[in-house]
Amino acid sequence: GAVVSQHPSWVICKSGTSVKIECRSLDFQATTMFWYRQFPKQSLMLMATSNEGSKATYEQGVEKDKFLINHASLTLSTLTVTSAHPEDSSFYICSAGPPGGKPPQHFGDGTRLSIL
Amino acid sequence: AQTVTQSQPEMSVQEAETVTLSCTYDTSESDYYLFWYKQPPSRQMILVIRQEAYKQQNATENRFSVNFQKAAKSFSLKISDSQLGDAAMYFCAYRSRGNLIFGKGTKLSVKP
Repeated sequence: GAVVSQHPSWVICKSGTSVKIECRSLDFQATTMFWYRQFPKQSLMLMATSNEGSKATYEQGVEKDKFLINHASLTLSTLTVTSAHPEDSSFYICSAGPPGGKPPQHFGDGTRLSIL
Repeated sequence: AQTVTQSQPEMSVQEAETVTLSCTYDTSESDYYLFWYKQPPSRQMILVIRQEAYKQQNATENRFSVNFQKAAKSFSLKISDSQLGDAAMYFCAYRSRGNLIFGKGTKLSVKP
């Protein structure tokens, strides 16, 4: 069964709204979770590393004010796309691994975000 | 910085035949992990196989095996007895301390 749950799986919303995506580790405590973005027919690009109890670490070129990450507990990280616009439409996927940084990472099923 | 290169954007194999997907990587680290992930049209990321760099023995998982050449920084995936369900995007990935670094992927088609 799934060890990382991501919700929702598909979101369609109007331009200007904010969208929250949740990522939960079900079988273990995850001090670190990762958020990726995938454009059609492309690879996964790391957006940010979510650290429980501290600020997320964003990759170069990722707007931290646009993509808000909160990792308030050892089993939950959220990604909020603020004031979403059509260019934010993409597939977002999270991953988490066992404590201590040992692999493998487990992935959520992803969220397809469509901004009209 | 670490990089992962998959030089085959697309590959095709006949059902029941064997296919090898290529992956090379660049790193100055000695301790790391390598993975192959499968992404079917559902876009789930499914772990196919993993290899610890310190292990000389090539990893195998049923019909899937790797050829890990540490000195050459090569990590190819061999799929034996290919099945229609193997059709998907395959991503090679590298990990040292934290996040995964992915190659651009290889789209595998399986012909009946």
